[in-house]
Amino acid sequence: KQEVTQIPAALSVPEGENLVLNCSFTDSAIYNLQWFRQDPGKGLTSLLLIQSSQREQTSGRLNASLDKSSGRSTLYIAASQPGDSATYLCAVNGGSNYKLTFGKGTLLTVNP
Amino acid sequence: DAMVIQNPRYQVTQFGKPVTLSCSQTLNHNVMYWYQQKSSQAPKLLFHYYDKDFNNEADTPDNFQSRRPNTSFCFLDIRSPGLGDAAMYLCATSRDPGGDEQYFGPGTRLTVT
Repeated sequence: KQEVTQIPAALSVPEGENLVLNCSFTDSAIYNLQWFRQDPGKGLTSLLLIQSSQREQTSGRLNASLDKSSGRSTLYIAASQPGDSATYLCAVNGGSNYKLTFGKGTLLTVNP
Repeated sequence: DAMVIQNPRYQVTQFGKPVTLSCSQTLNHNVMYWYQQKSSQAPKLLFHYYDKDFNNEADTPDNFQSRRPNTSFCFLDIRSPGLGDAAMYLCATSRDPGGDEQYFGPGTRLTVT
């Protein structure tokens, strides 16, 4: 059974700092990995999708990496801004029913 | 521009009173998913439709049912809501199962009184 762990559970940084969020998963037989952002009481916004054959994806100030063999992914946020404050969720897509298995998320607070 | 639409955004129902949540999509995707997310927890897949084929997760309670009358719409029916069913319900779609990206709607927040 796939298990996804995100560390840290919460992170508070000053504005402008570069930061890394971590995600690990137990079963490396995945199709892809997605990073999502969730604002309080809202739905999920997809940030980046990395296919299992890829090593990284970039979008603006965000860079996600994938090391499938070790079961790890990181989300790097450059020059953080208060508007980046949200919960960031990692999800892996794999298994016979193609479902996303989510981590519990990292609550990020960027202080002005 | 909206791609995955969920209605209503907020739903209040009484204990034991059936409730239906709605999801529609303009992407013409083959797969539609329903996830449940309880407070401070990870979203959890309840079931999904691949075209007309229904796929239920083994641990989804019988109280939860789904209908997909056509490609664009999918409904989540909760036959007898309990207090423990209060959650955010997220609908998602993908073109095909497997390696395709899943696109999520804004969610429906369900309160059970």
